[in-house]
Amino acid sequence: DVKVTQSSRYLVKRTGEKVFLECVQDMDHENMFWYRQDPGLGLRLIYFSYDVKMKEKGDIPEGYSVSREKKERFSLILESASTNQTSMYLCASSDQGHTNEKLFFGSGTQLSVL
Amino acid sequence: GQQLNQSPQSMFIQEGEDVSMNCTSSSIFNTWLWYKQDPGEGPVLLIALYKAGELTSNGRLTAQFGITRKDSFLNISASIPSDVGIYFCAGPSRRAGGTSYGKLTFGQGTILTVHP
Repeated sequence: DVKVTQSSRYLVKRTGEKVFLECVQDMDHENMFWYRQDPGLGLRLIYFSYDVKMKEKGDIPEGYSVSREKKERFSLILESASTNQTSMYLCASSDQGHTNEKLFFGSGTQLSVL
Repeated sequence: GQQLNQSPQSMFIQEGEDVSMNCTSSSIFNTWLWYKQDPGEGPVLLIALYKAGELTSNGRLTAQFGITRKDSFLNISASIPSDVGIYFCAGPSRRAGGTSYGKLTFGQGTILTVHP
């Protein structure tokens, strides 16, 4: 069964902490994505990557960075967490063919910044 | 940037009722997608539409790609309790380089509650 695994289901951090959210996929997909989900706002794209070491900003990249050193792993980094980054974070992957819009999502990480 | 507006924001229905929801955009999309998010899980693709006017079914779900390419509709017939969740429409986002690489713009979601 294909899988996108996010390292933590729930995370509580303090303001100013550096936070790492990890995501691993086992489908050999080229594309990987980080979205945040907030009530009434839907899913908003933070960053995506279409190849190892390649990344592009999404719609709301401010306050975030990403790392893709290996094809199967895509990390989201909050350099200095702030309370407005409290949210549900969803990782996804897709292949690079004509079905690239079929995203496979992880179960999400609910991050609370206090 | 591109925006997708979904309505209604939420629905409370009785088991067995039919459900309709829609998604509109100010810009044209060449592909429309409908995802469902079960409670506590990530979204899963339900239906993909690739042609204006296309009507596609997946079991009790039917989706349509609007003729203007600026809207799409999702209908669920004879709802059951497991239909509960959040339904998202989505479309490929434009990139300067051309190909979308699967980058999607999502609507705000329609929250569906089904009472037994």
